[in-house]
Amino acid sequence: DTEVTQTPKHLVMGMTNKKSLKCEQHMGHRAMYWYKQKAKKPPELMFVYSYEKLSINESVPSRFSPECPNSSLLNLHLHALQPEDSALYLCASSQSARLGYEQYFGPGTRLTVT
Amino acid sequence: AQKITQTQPGMFVQEKEAVTLDCTYDTSDQSYGLFWYKQPSSGEMIFLIYQGSYDEQNATEGRYSLNFQKARKSANLVISASQLGDSAMYFCAMREGRLQGGSEKLVFGKGTKLTVNP
Repeated sequence: DTEVTQTPKHLVMGMTNKKSLKCEQHMGHRAMYWYKQKAKKPPELMFVYSYEKLSINESVPSRFSPECPNSSLLNLHLHALQPEDSALYLCASSQSARLGYEQYFGPGTRLTVT
Repeated sequence: AQKITQTQPGMFVQEKEAVTLDCTYDTSDQSYGLFWYKQPSSGEMIFLIYQGSYDEQNATEGRYSLNFQKARKSANLVISASQLGDSAMYFCAMREGRLQGGSEKLVFGKGTKLTVNP
């Protein structure tokens, strides 16, 4: 099973809402990632959990908050987002966060902030 | 600093023909790796192929092969016998730097949109 699942598939939220994106993998991978992808752009890495230790892209604003309840689950908590945060949010996992291990991606959550 | 460059915003190919998608990179590291991913319009990123800098042979995976020229710092993806389902965005990627917290960061090129014509 090489599947990474993400819920919801689509999300529309207002700027004052709090919502969460969810990601799950059952491949026994020990690294999980959140990416943000704007239209016609490549994905940009936001966060990595490697063996449940967090690494952060310092350019990501604090209104995005990741959580890794266990090695199979990854959440992204959203609070007070801005319209420019509208994007495709991709979750990925890999056997290891080290060089050489490919990442398996989920189908993404298309987020619209109104 | 490392950099990934994909110079072809769009490419067209006839079904059943081969196509080459270009990728050049810039790195001062001795140990590095190049990845290629495919992204159909549905949005999911699909891993295609990986080439390590110390790999002596060019990577191959089914209809995908990598034309790796280390001295030229290029890692071009070759798709043989193109199929309609190959129409998608293709991204070249490599590890670049580290995040706060220590994990390596995968950085993608701008991508090439491939259209396969019947």
